[in-house]
Amino acid sequence: GENVEQHPSTLSVQEGDSAVIKCTYSDSASNYFPWYKQELGKRPQLIIDIRSNVGEKKDQRIAVTLNKTAKHFSLHITETQPEDSAVYFCAAVAYSGAGSYQLTFGKGTKLSVIP
Amino acid sequence: KAGVTQTPRYLIKTRGQQVTLSCSPISGHRSVSWYQQTPGQGLQFLFEYFSETQRNKGNFPGRFSGRQFSNSRSEMNVSTLELGDSALYLCASSALAGFSYEQYFGPGTRLTVT
Repeated sequence: GENVEQHPSTLSVQEGDSAVIKCTYSDSASNYFPWYKQELGKRPQLIIDIRSNVGEKKDQRIAVTLNKTAKHFSLHITETQPEDSAVYFCAAVAYSGAGSYQLTFGKGTKLSVIP
Repeated sequence: KAGVTQTPRYLIKTRGQQVTLSCSPISGHRSVSWYQQTPGQGLQFLFEYFSETQRNKGNFPGRFSGRQFSNSRSEMNVSTLELGDSALYLCASSALAGFSYEQYFGPGTRLTVT
């Protein structure tokens, strides 16, 4: 099955700096890569995603890049703000048969933005 | 559109008991997935239901089971509870939007086993 590795597990940055979280996946059949943000005590929220036919996608201060050959993808947050503090999860989605898709998550990165 | 809802939000049970958790997906979504979230293991996939059929199952013991009703609402059951079952249980619904597979999470049920 799919295996997703996520690094780092914790990340502290000064407000205004950039943050980068990296993930690698094992299943070359994975074709959709979402990123979720989970604030303390809240549910995971989809913040950005990328499909395997795209190399980069941006949405205001966040961007995701995908390298299919190397099987890794990254989340970039620029001009970080205190409200960016949360746990971020990457995931890889692959078709698992019988019309079903399965998300495999990384173990998460706790991002702390220091004012 | 109302989001994914889960009940109850909190549960305290003792070892050996069983528990049933409920999830109502976003209206029109037919796929419901369940995840166990613990501090050390992150989000681990339990199973997925679509049109009342379990299509996918993660690597959990048979004590964990689920079902889905004709209105897409889903329940998961854990029998013979163990201390290690203490976790946040999240469900997520999906409309299987074409090439992507966007999942929307409920607020979770926090289960504590004593």
